[in-house]
Amino acid sequence: KAGVTQTPRYLIKTRGQQVTLSCSPISGHRSVSWYQQTPGQGLQFLFEYFSETQRNKGNFPGRFSGRQFSNSRSEMNVSTLELGDSALYLCASSLGRGMAGQYFGPGTRLTVT
Amino acid sequence: AQKVTQAQTEISVVEKEDVTLDCVYETRDTTYYLFWYKQPPSGELVFLIRRNSFDEQNEISGRYSWNFQKSTSSFNFTITASQVVDSAVYFCALSEEERGTGNQFYFGTGTSLTVIP
Repeated sequence: KAGVTQTPRYLIKTRGQQVTLSCSPISGHRSVSWYQQTPGQGLQFLFEYFSETQRNKGNFPGRFSGRQFSNSRSEMNVSTLELGDSALYLCASSLGRGMAGQYFGPGTRLTVT
Repeated sequence: AQKVTQAQTEISVVEKEDVTLDCVYETRDTTYYLFWYKQPPSGELVFLIRRNSFDEQNEISGRYSWNFQKSTSSFNFTITASQVVDSAVYFCALSEEERGTGNQFYFGTGTSLTVIP
């Protein structure tokens, strides 16, 4: 079975731009979660989607949004990028809701200049 | 206040030594979940274990074992006979239900383990 894939792997954007990251979960998995990892803040939960609905949401501003498609693929969007958004964005998938034995992708390294 | 505290920032051990990674959590919920993840130098997080608050049985998986104690709000992780491949950053995490926003997940700051050959 193919693992969780994330595209792109690396991205450089300019402050004020917007960015869309993509995550394809393991086949059959219906839950996709997103996380931000930075040296300063560590690992932080962004949100979780299950069956195309956002089920859980972390403490991030509205500039961070996401969606999930009927095939369980998910996208995360960050608008009006700030320097502090530079981070490794990780996606994880699982069969059920709520972080049940999650499988993580390799991440997308976003650099905002 | 930190929801999940991993007081050990960095640990170094010599190969074949046992090592315990500490995790202390804080929650008022009666139902919650605890997790351990491994992040090797390659960067990809690897799920190790998920424990619910009603199951205080210790778990052993090969060289790995976990000690869950609700009385001290701790969920410690022990690696027996450590190997160089165990070198990684290990994260402890807590999941609890919060009104209005669903399940919330909190990670500790991680413990960087170096196993010296």
